[in-house]
Amino acid sequence: QKEVEQDPGPLSVPEGAIVSLNCTYSNSAFQYFMWYRQYSRKGPELLMYTYSSGNKEDGRFTAQVDKSSKYISLFIRDSQPSDSATYLCAMSGVTGGGNKLTFGTGTQLKVEL
Amino acid sequence: GAGVSQSPSNKVTEKGKDVELRCDPISGHTALYWYRQSLGQGLEFLIYFQGNSAPDKSGLPSDRFSAERTGGSVSTLTIQRTQQEDSAVYLCASSFRVSEQFFGPGTRLTVL
Repeated sequence: QKEVEQDPGPLSVPEGAIVSLNCTYSNSAFQYFMWYRQYSRKGPELLMYTYSSGNKEDGRFTAQVDKSSKYISLFIRDSQPSDSATYLCAMSGVTGGGNKLTFGTGTQLKVEL
Repeated sequence: GAGVSQSPSNKVTEKGKDVELRCDPISGHTALYWYRQSLGQGLEFLIYFQGNSAPDKSGLPSDRFSAERTGGSVSTLTIQRTQQEDSAVYLCASSFRVSEQFFGPGTRLTVL
């Protein structure tokens, strides 16, 4: 079993829909949680960064972390065709300094007109 | 520059040849990471450099892979005697704060 599980999709939604993307994980040492967006043939782009449990909002994006359930979510409101991409969750357990990220396999999202 | 840059963007090589991939991190970022992204495997950690500390090489898949970081800035990932299973996108990331890693565009390596 992988440390981080993510539904690969593809997920297809109409423009304007609310999108919910999720990851589960097994390593209780993870403290830092990130969501990346990756367009085809591009590098991952950091969208949201959360430490420990709680919610964080940035524009149309909301990240939630529930450490008790080992479950993280990314919500996209008023989805746009430009949101069509692969969304990767990532997490790390470092307590000081930098450390490696463990990634989910990514969810492919398509927002249709 | 404004972001992480990598070169070349694409590399095609023959099995058995050595390749070098370059990464220029964001100025001022003390940590540098290499990852590999391949179909079916997702994004996998390879190696991590932090300042003058010894690198964390725990993700390197074999002794054919090595990396160095000169002067705390530019890094080179070297793959010796390339194999077809080395074909992947090699991504470099840098960070200043814990775990906020910023990625470059990647080098797409194809081993024939």
